[in-house]
Amino acid sequence: QVQLLQSGGEVKKPGASVKVSCKTSEYTLTAYSIHWVRQAPGEGLECLGRMNPNNGGAHYAQKFQGRVTMTRDTSINTAYLELSSLTSDDTAVYFCATSTLPGDWDPFDIWGQGTMVTVSS
Amino acid sequence: DIQMTQSPSSLSASVGDKVTVTCRASESVSSFLNWYQQKPGQAPKLLIFAASGLQSGVPSRFSGSGSGTDFTLTISSLQPEDFATYFCQQSYSTPFTFGPGTKVDIK
Repeated sequence: QVQLLQSGGEVKKPGASVKVSCKTSEYTLTAYSIHWVRQAPGEGLECLGRMNPNNGGAHYAQKFQGRVTMTRDTSINTAYLELSSLTSDDTAVYFCATSTLPGDWDPFDIWGQGTMVTVSS
Repeated sequence: DIQMTQSPSSLSASVGDKVTVTCRASESVSSFLNWYQQKPGQAPKLLIFAASGLQSGVPSRFSGSGSGTDFTLTISSLQPEDFATYFCQQSYSTPFTFGPGTKVDIK
């Protein structure tokens, strides 16, 4: 059973960076893509990008290009999302998610519990 | 990016009602359309994948249909635990975009 366990909430000042972790079950990072999704308070869901299982390469949503970095450490089964140059608009719950279903449909059937990132001066 | 819209943005319904939510994509996503349910303080939960596939463990009162640009989520008989927000998502091309959500509350 694949599980995703995220790091705890963060409070950051504008202009700072934040790094959120997503600890996975063994072999998850090399078997499935890891996606990162955020949700601002009272708002909808927004994808930041995905990290591929074969080589750890990442594809980022254009909106976040230059500000987002997705990495992984397969030795400890952990994926990371780093977001820089934070503004108050980045205040949100950040989720990692993956698709373990067969086929190319890529629905997110497994989600982390979410990490609240608050950007405030 | 593919834009997703949903209607209505909210609706009020009673237990036992049939509820329909629609989702439209700005361009064809074939059948790469998923539906999620989210309750306050929780991560989204996958209900329907590939437009009409029922996720394991999801009650059969939930169903999905459509292809191309127009899709529908139907709840055949609303139950108390179904009061939540529902999101559609296209997984046809990255970034995988979501609709703005439809909040279903108690009439």
